[in-house]
Amino acid sequence: AQSVTQLDSHVSVSEGTPVLLRCNYSSSYSPSLFWYVQHPNKGLQLLLKYTSAATLVKGINGFEAEFKKSETSFHLTKPSAHMSDAAEYFCVVSEVNTGRRALTFGSGTRLQVQP
Amino acid sequence: DTEVTQTPKHLVMGMTNKKSLKCEQHMGHRAMYWYKQKAKKPPELMFVYSYEKLSINESVPSRFSPECPNSSLLNLHLHALQPEDSALYLCASSQVEGAGLEQYFGPGTRLTVT
Repeated sequence: AQSVTQLDSHVSVSEGTPVLLRCNYSSSYSPSLFWYVQHPNKGLQLLLKYTSAATLVKGINGFEAEFKKSETSFHLTKPSAHMSDAAEYFCVVSEVNTGRRALTFGSGTRLQVQP
Repeated sequence: DTEVTQTPKHLVMGMTNKKSLKCEQHMGHRAMYWYKQKAKKPPELMFVYSYEKLSINESVPSRFSPECPNSSLLNLHLHALQPEDSALYLCASSQVEGAGLEQYFGPGTRLTVT
């Protein structure tokens, strides 16, 4: 069975400092992993995805994530936070080799960016 | 173009009303989804359509009735809703229904049931 745990419900950073949002997954097979961002009262936007090619995945808006199989982690990072990065971030897993066709969402991490 | 559109943006309805939510995509995707999202929670899957046929119903109450008239359109018909049904309703689409594929989300309809 697949599951995903976002280790922090709330992260606060200062503008211009690095961002780290942590995600651990559990998967019986080869997972596909995604990060989505949701700004207040908006839909979800795909930031990046991992599908067993390169382990370091670059996404939009300067975000990237590294797939570490030994640690079952897929943490999201950005070198320098911008005020517009303040939003809710969801780590999502989808298993390729199982019958479950739906996405499994983490509980979300709210990113606050202080001026 | 990776756009999924939803109308209306906001909807307020009484418990005896009938209303519909509409979702449209022109990416040629053959799978479309309805999600319900309560405040400060992740989206919860409600329905999946694959090639215009209902593929998954996550035990959603019958007061929610989905419809897929063609490959670009997805509707959600609402009738006799309860106040606890107030939420953000999100539509999404993917190339086909399958694990490992990213989904593209619309902006959502904010529903308030009074």
